[in-house]
Amino acid sequence: DIQMTQSPSSLSASVGDRVTITCRASQSISNYLNWYQQKPGKAPKLLIYAASSLQSGVPSRFSGSGSGTDFTLTISSLQPVDFATYYCQQSYSAPLAFGGGTKVEIK
Amino acid sequence: EVQLVQSGAEVKKPGESLKISCKGSGYSFTSYWIAWVRQMPGKGLEWMGIIYPGDSATRYSPSFQGQVTISADKSISTAYLQWSSLKASDTAMYYCARRGFGELPLGYYYYMDVWGKGTTVTVSS
Repeated sequence: DIQMTQSPSSLSASVGDRVTITCRASQSISNYLNWYQQKPGKAPKLLIYAASSLQSGVPSRFSGSGSGTDFTLTISSLQPVDFATYYCQQSYSAPLAFGGGTKVEIK
Repeated sequence: EVQLVQSGAEVKKPGESLKISCKGSGYSFTSYWIAWVRQMPGKGLEWMGIIYPGDSATRYSPSFQGQVTISADKSISTAYLQWSSLKASDTAMYYCARRGFGELPLGYYYYMDVWGKGTTVTVSS
């Protein structure tokens, strides 16, 4: 099975900061990588699929990159509504594992 | 509107059985896989398994194989997650999600694009 590792597990940032979250797969998954945002008490929301394709309706300050085993999610200018937990997920082969999550908190 | 509506919160005792549901609407329920995702209190997301309501083909994560059963009734556009004997460690939020897809030049890519609001399951003596 493919394991997904995210780093950091949490970070503190200020509004307007550029934030980068990293996700690493235990083997190559090409670009079969999705990113989700989850706010407390809510279901996850799809942000990015295929490593870099923005889901419809998601603000352009979110971007994704990477291929193979190493991927990043970048928020170009952090907004108050972006404080949440972010998860990567591989969609290459079942079981479709998630990363452990990165909690983005207010500094 | 495309949506998945999950059944309400459950409080059960260890050893009891349980079946929770996820009803799809606003799209062709038989044409999209439905996944189940567990989130234990204060923890991350865990992919449990997936079902194709069109023919009930099912895939399980090895971590959940034999522990739960995923099923669907396409006549009422509903997917199910069930336990035959609950444990305290089954206490969690359970989400269902639709596996959507996007077509890009290199092919099709799959993701969970529509989520239910979740069903809280509490198992306590």
